[in-house]
Amino acid sequence: GAGVSQSPSNKVTEKGKDVELRCDPISGHTALYWYRQRLGQGLEFLIYFQGNSAPDKSGLPSDRFSAERTGESVSTLTIQRTQQEDSAVYLCASSLPSGAEAFFGQGTRLTVV
Amino acid sequence: AQRVTQPEKLLSVFKGAPVELKCNYSYSGSPELFWYVQYSRQRLQLLLRHISRESIKGFTADLNKGETSFHLKKPFAQEEDSAMYYCALSLNAGNNRKLIWGLGTSLAVNP
Repeated sequence: GAGVSQSPSNKVTEKGKDVELRCDPISGHTALYWYRQRLGQGLEFLIYFQGNSAPDKSGLPSDRFSAERTGESVSTLTIQRTQQEDSAVYLCASSLPSGAEAFFGQGTRLTVV
Repeated sequence: AQRVTQPEKLLSVFKGAPVELKCNYSYSGSPELFWYVQYSRQRLQLLLRHISRESIKGFTADLNKGETSFHLKKPFAQEEDSAMYYCALSLNAGNNRKLIWGLGTSLAVNP
């Protein structure tokens, strides 16, 4: 499978715990994006990576949110001390450096109880 | 600032009726625009891009630079068109490309 892969697909966590979400982009895609999609809402931009640098972190909602990327491959989004309002689907997408089409993963559905 | 606006959060039409999903953008450079679609329980995927000037699943979208719009149209909506539609603007800044997204329009096609 050559698509964008996200894990886990579902995560239920207790309020206050930390969670780590993983994204495996398509090989060769230097651009990687994280988005949040709350129930019934549109895409909310979180962070954008070009290679392993993050030129745009403007969408991270608080300092509880952080993201890393190893080279031009795996990225992890970490949410510390989760709150109920963090419950959402977290989407990852990647794209080629020469093309703007973004390919999306299936998302991680996070539920904070 | 670069921005994509989709003014309608929800659009409801009857099967066979024409449908137009609006998208306006704000960008001083040469825009590259896309429509993405998310069907129920499926991942978000590209529907069409303005540079290819193609029709996908009966949908077309024309870039109007004068009105800074990229509205998505279909003359006869089908029930299977019910989905969430996102308009996106690609920015090219040197070696970086970045997508700016609208908030999406949920299209419901009723029988």
